Amino acid sequence: QSALTQPRSVSGSPGQSISISCTGTDRDVGGYNFVSWYQQHPGKAPKLMIYDVTERPSGVPDRFSGSKSGNTASLTVSGLQDEDDGDYYCCSYGGTYFSFGGGTKLTVL
Amino acid sequence: EVQLVESGGGLVQPGESLRLSCAASGFTFRNHRMHWVRQAPGKGLVWVSCIEGDASTTKYADSVKGRFTISRDNARDTVYLQMNSLRADDTAVYFCTRDGGGLAYWGQGTLVTVSS
Repeated sequence: QSALTQPRSVSGSPGQSISISCTGTDRDVGGYNFVSWYQQHPGKAPKLMIYDVTERPSGVPDRFSGSKSGNTASLTVSGLQDEDDGDYYCCSYGGTYFSFGGGTKLTVL
Repeated sequence: EVQLVESGGGLVQPGESLRLSCAASGFTFRNHRMHWVRQAPGKGLVWVSCIEGDASTTKYADSVKGRFTISRDNARDTVYLQMNSLRADDTAVYFCTRDGGGLAYWGQGTLVTVSS
């Protein structure tokens, strides 16, 4: 049970697109289509942005999209907006466990 | 409206025990796997444990296996986390969260501080 690997930080200007990677193993990210992504603002509970690799909950803007290739999943945010600033975490099912990534701080410049 | 309300956090000394509760409402509780996720101050999210809707299966992170026990009472719509042999590195906000197409619903969290 190891934490999934995410970049510590990413940044972009309003209107630009960014991607955040999430690397696991063939026992979690690569083995199941159960990767989800969460946005968290300081002092708040996490908010689900993507589930089952590519699915977007109702109410989440279609600027947010998810994908997966092998043992690496990715979250892409297109047309960055100021409110996208925050921490983002990936999460994967691993058969006998779940695992989060270490988190990525997204800064909208 | 789905609501999850955690309680039971507090300050304890190393080696002591604590039981967290999470009261659920607004959905059919027994139909959903429930999780506990924690977040140490200034750190990231860490998955702790989960339990199936019928309590048939439980899973634990290696860091808490043998010390923590998750359970649920479907008659009371409540999930619990019994935490024994607490250590300083268990200090965190503990969130209760509902499964069902990702972890779409979260409580506000309850702070557990382990310190002498």
